[in-house]
Amino acid sequence: DTGVSQDPRHKITKRGQNVTFRCDPISEHNRLYWYRQTLGQGPEFLTYFQNEAQLEKSRLLSDRFSAERPKGSFSTLEIQRTEQGDSAMYLCASSSALPEAFFGQGTRLTVV
Amino acid sequence: AQSVAQPEDQVNVAEGNPLTVKCTYSVSGNPYLFWYVQYPNRGLQFLLKYITGDNLVKGSYGFEAEFNKSQTSFHLKKPSALVSDSALYFCAVRGYGGSQGNLIFGKGTKLSVKP
Repeated sequence: DTGVSQDPRHKITKRGQNVTFRCDPISEHNRLYWYRQTLGQGPEFLTYFQNEAQLEKSRLLSDRFSAERPKGSFSTLEIQRTEQGDSAMYLCASSSALPEAFFGQGTRLTVV
Repeated sequence: AQSVAQPEDQVNVAEGNPLTVKCTYSVSGNPYLFWYVQYPNRGLQFLLKYITGDNLVKGSYGFEAEFNKSQTSFHLKKPSALVSDSALYFCAVRGYGGSQGNLIFGKGTKLSVKP
């Protein structure tokens, strides 16, 4: 399967703990995006990379959130000191020069 | 501010009948418009896009969408619905010349196709 891969698929964590998610984009795609989706809502943009450069961050991305794409390939999204409000599906997507993005299956985070 | 509206939370259609899922948008400049479908516990799958050219665009699984600039709409259509089309459908917009990252999604419309 050469689609976007996300790991883990599910994560349950206690409030206050740190979590890290990984995204492996489609290999020839230089653009990578993170979105967050809560129940009953459409995905909300978090951040965007072109190669290793983080070019845009949403106001939704608080100080507790950090994303990296160190070599322009895979990316990680870390949430520090998780809160119950962080419970959501975290979606990664990638694209080439074409405008459409292709999404992974997501990481479902539950903060208890 | 850019926005997308999907006025129907749910659309119910009988199998074999035509379906329409509505989307209107607000964006400065010429829009890039997209439809995605989401099956339970799955990521979003790209269906089709409008960038420029013919107002009727065709996509995956027999879906098509009609761009109407004067009505700022981009409705998703299919001539004959299948039970397997039942899923959550999202319309999205990206402003021309804007950030390559910032896709704005609607809240989604649940399509239910009954046999």
